[in-house]
Amino acid sequence: QVQLVESGGGVVQPGRSLRLSCAASGFTFSSYAMHWVRQAPGKGLEWVAVISYNGNNKYYADSVKGRFTISRDNSKKTLYLQMNSLRAEDTAVYYCARDPSFVGQQPPLDWGQGALVTVSS
Amino acid sequence: QSALTQPASVSGSPGQSITISCTGTSSDVGGYNSVSWYQQRPGKAPELMIYEVSNRPSGVPDRFSGSKSGNTASLTISGLQAEDEADYYCSSYTSSSTQVVFGGGTKLTVL
Repeated sequence: QVQLVESGGGVVQPGRSLRLSCAASGFTFSSYAMHWVRQAPGKGLEWVAVISYNGNNKYYADSVKGRFTISRDNSKKTLYLQMNSLRAEDTAVYYCARDPSFVGQQPPLDWGQGALVTVSS
Repeated sequence: QSALTQPASVSGSPGQSITISCTGTSSDVGGYNSVSWYQQRPGKAPELMIYEVSNRPSGVPDRFSGSKSGNTASLTISGLQAEDEADYYCSSYTSSSTQVVFGGGTKLTVL
């Protein structure tokens, strides 16, 4: 069965950086686009970024554009989110999720359990 | 402000039916059959309930159904059960640069 396991969350000061990882198993990772979606405490879901199956196409929410970078290593079956210049409003649970297509133009199918990122001084 | 509009809350009694709406534009909900619905219980990850407007993944009860008319998609839960109490989110592909948008979420209370 599909399994997505996020790691790398924690407490970080404003302006600093953090990298999240998502280890995938149970499906052919290199055949699917992947998303990051976040949820601030007590708030709704917010789409963050998507990357195509081969990493050639990436799209970002306006709120993170220029600060966050999505990437993947198909040989390691791992998705990444590099988060720079972090702000208090980036505090959220970050979910990695599998797209049903290879391009990344569909809402996600499967979700990980999430990693909590807290930006605080 | 979320790109897709959902009611903040709905409620119903066991056995009844409820419908949650999700209103977008012709650039997302109205223009593509790429609407999904998710159920999220407190402290848990979202779970896919409906994809491509009206398709149910295996394991999802047939009490859950989806439809779309114009720029509005709907999730209907019939024969409401206590275990259906949760937050529900809609999502759609969008032709804007962001690719995917979510609704603000609807809290379902089973009375």
